[in-house]
Amino acid sequence: KAGVTQTPRYLIKTRGQQVTLSCSPISGHRSVSWYQQTPGQGLQFLFEYFSETQRNKGNFPGRFSGRQFSNSRSEMNVSTLELGDSALYLCASSLVVSGAGELFFGEGSRLTVL
Amino acid sequence: GDSVTQMEGPVTLSEEAFLTINCTYTATGYPSLFWYVQYPGEGLQLLLKATKADDKGSNKGFEATYRKETTSFHLEKGSVQVSDSAVYFCALSDRYGTASKLTFGTGTRLQVTL
Repeated sequence: KAGVTQTPRYLIKTRGQQVTLSCSPISGHRSVSWYQQTPGQGLQFLFEYFSETQRNKGNFPGRFSGRQFSNSRSEMNVSTLELGDSALYLCASSLVVSGAGELFFGEGSRLTVL
Repeated sequence: GDSVTQMEGPVTLSEEAFLTINCTYTATGYPSLFWYVQYPGEGLQLLLKATKADDKGSNKGFEATYRKETTSFHLEKGSVQVSDSAVYFCALSDRYGTASKLTFGTGTRLQVTL
């Protein structure tokens, strides 16, 4: 069974540009969450999607957005990139929609903003 | 808001030593508690979880007990192996116990030597 797949794995952008990251969840998983991991702030929740609807959102500015498609694949977009957006962006999928279900994480997309 | 505090790393132990990684939390409601592990070059994996007070989660020789009175969820293992070298993250769910939105600690790096 394939795990969570994130693309691209590495990318470099410059300030002011925008970026789109993609996540393919485990087959059958309909919940997809996104996290930002930085050395200073650790892992921070960005948002969660289920059945193409955003269910939860973390404390990030509106430059961070996401969406989910009918096949459960998800994308997140960051516009007007800032140096502080350099981070590892992790996607996680889950089979259950409530309760203490297990999150399955991808290996992440490492974004460097110059 | 909710928060998780983990002991600072890195923790360096000899093989077969006893491991404790401290984790305390601040939360409202009835969160579930988790330990996730990140091996080098891999995504986060669920190690164990506990969904209510006094529950003990266990897996691969690791244990942690949900202590509501001390708001703690310390990770322990009686005899560590070199293969346990990784970064360990304590996390809590939202107030309803839903695991899709997790608050993580900063992570504790464990290095086990022969």
